[in-house]
Amino acid sequence: GAGVSQSPSNKVTEKGKDVELRCDPISGHTALYWYRQRLGQGLEFLIYFQGNSAPDKSGLPSDRFSAERTGESVSTLTIQRTQQEDSAVYLCASSPSGTGSEKLFFGSGTQLSVL
Amino acid sequence: KNQVEQSPQSLIILEGKNCTLQCNYTVSPFSNLRWYKQDTGRGPVSLTIMTFSENTKSNGRYTATLDADTKQSSLHITASQLSDSASYICVVSSGPTGFQKLVFGTGTRLLVSP
Repeated sequence: GAGVSQSPSNKVTEKGKDVELRCDPISGHTALYWYRQRLGQGLEFLIYFQGNSAPDKSGLPSDRFSAERTGESVSTLTIQRTQQEDSAVYLCASSPSGTGSEKLFFGSGTQLSVL
Repeated sequence: KNQVEQSPQSLIILEGKNCTLQCNYTVSPFSNLRWYKQDTGRGPVSLTIMTFSENTKSNGRYTATLDADTKQSSLHITASQLSDSASYICVVSSGPTGFQKLVFGTGTRLLVSP
């Protein structure tokens, strides 16, 4: 597609429920990133996918968080048993090959609100 | 601890005026420094990317500078427009080639007033 697409744009859920967030990267981009942006804070790295390599999960805050990516296309971020502290904007980005000076292209994010 | 600090937190300027945003970082090792513009409700959009050897880079009315010795960067906006109202985020990349580990500042919120 023309840009990185994320869905849903907004998600309101009850504490304890599971949620699934979706990211469609730019076609041909092998690198995909998930970030979390809490209100008034900088983006926090969550997970990085590069081609068929094992993902870097070092940023996932707890075992309630997981992510998958099908080949070099769609990725889903799943949060199980959501907590109020999970409320944030979840941003997905992609880049052509994940090398050092590449530009990252971000989606518009999913605003998650846990009641 | 790798950190990126930005100042001011927020800024209001009149349309047509210039402004300069500051960024100090303690990220090591250093790979490159980026400035992003983030409109409300949207994802960040890249403005500039500078490596260690680059002192300045321009993108239209945006000019970024980098002093790798003092670990400081600035973003200068010339002849501001209402559409410049946004958050400007300084990001430093740390990590080996092939993987981008980005450290994000909390941003400067700019409001351009008519």
